[in-house]
Amino acid sequence: GAVVSQHPSWVICKSGTSVKIECRSLDFQATTMFWYRQFPKQSLMLMATSNEGSKATYEQGVEKDKFLINHASLTLSTLTVTSAHPEDSSFYICSARDGTGNYEQYFGPGTRLTVT
Amino acid sequence: SQQGEEDPQALSIQEGENATMNCSYKTSINNLQWYRQNSGRGLVHLILIRSNEREKHSGRLRVTLDTSKKSSSLLITASRAADTASYFCATALGGANSKLTFGKGITLSVRP
Repeated sequence: GAVVSQHPSWVICKSGTSVKIECRSLDFQATTMFWYRQFPKQSLMLMATSNEGSKATYEQGVEKDKFLINHASLTLSTLTVTSAHPEDSSFYICSARDGTGNYEQYFGPGTRLTVT
Repeated sequence: SQQGEEDPQALSIQEGENATMNCSYKTSINNLQWYRQNSGRGLVHLILIRSNEREKHSGRLRVTLDTSKKSSSLLITASRAADTASYFCATALGGANSKLTFGKGITLSVRP
């Protein structure tokens, strides 16, 4: 089946620093990738949608200058949390969709970010 | 705002019993999907039902969709302790390229 990986699985960083999270589709080409964040015991909130080679589309209320998304290839998208603050601490999950018209999204295992 | 609303928010049952989880949504949809999430993990896709379908089965899972009531149900039969997880419904408004909107989720606990 389609596999999506994320790296790192967890990261702790200091306030003011930037953190990059990678999302890779391992056995298929992901024309579209999605980034979500999830607070404890809550649902997934879509942050942005990225298509390979074009700028990401951010959801309302998500700061594009703070959460930089790059989808440079058909197998890799990155989310960079810039100038991180403790309130950015969350579980970040990516998902990927192939270009076959399949409705299914394949989710990565998530990255736990803790900002101290 | 979120599209899907599941109920109950938490469900605790004995192993071997059936678990029924419901999801309601507000607008017309193209398809509805159910996902499972184990604690601290990513999501696992369980089943997708299209707006022109009324019922689908996959192993011990049965999903129904009532577009007139804008609701769906997920039934897990003969539950196992390993089914303990959070379950989310997610709706897609458009076609294959549309985004998913997730409900708040249901926490299912299956006691051994």
